Amino acid sequence: GAGVSQSPSNKVTEKGKDVELRCDPISGHTALYWYRQSLGQGLEFLIYFQGNSAPDKSGLPSDRFSAERTGGSVSTLTIQRTQQEDSAVYLCASSLGKYQETQYFGPGTRLLVL
Amino acid sequence: LAKTTQPISMDSYEGQEVNITCSHNNIATNDYITWYQQFPSQGPRFIIQGYKTKVTNEVASLFIPADRKSSTLSLPRVSLSDTAVYYCLVGGPRDDKIIFGKGTRLHILP
Repeated sequence: GAGVSQSPSNKVTEKGKDVELRCDPISGHTALYWYRQSLGQGLEFLIYFQGNSAPDKSGLPSDRFSAERTGGSVSTLTIQRTQQEDSAVYLCASSLGKYQETQYFGPGTRLLVL
Repeated sequence: LAKTTQPISMDSYEGQEVNITCSHNNIATNDYITWYQQFPSQGPRFIIQGYKTKVTNEVASLFIPADRKSSTLSLPRVSLSDTAVYYCLVGGPRDDKIIFGKGTRLHILP
């Protein structure tokens, strides 16, 4: 079956532009997670959705970051007015339920802000 | 959320057993312990999960002492393809954040 997919796989943008990153979770998975990984670093948790609801948005790095999930499926992570420090790999994962369920990760979106 | 501490890096040789220990002193009663593996340019992949005592699957074993303040991932007879970063996660159903930490970079030598 299909795994978690993310688009685009690579994105190059200019500083100040807005970008939208998309995540398609595994069908039937109610939980969806976004992470950021800078080069050579560990994963930084950004936000978690249970259904369409995100209980805690405090992991988002700044108010330029926002995320939404619709229909309990697709999620979009939006970065407004991108900065060079936003350059990283953005990873999405989904799981059947909450924490103790295995997270399945997508291939990531590599974002480069020039 | 229980904070975890792992060695930053480890080296081993092909065919050896590798044990990576994770400390999680403030683990909560409902917390599970989960290990993920990440290869370069890929997302992490689930290896094993446990709550107490010992868990074994086709890939690894997870040893958890009675106090649950640490856990040890055991990889039997490693090969070069086991070179990766290994993350220990601790958390439970009430957590709305996930902390992966910096992980352990395991380098397998021929």
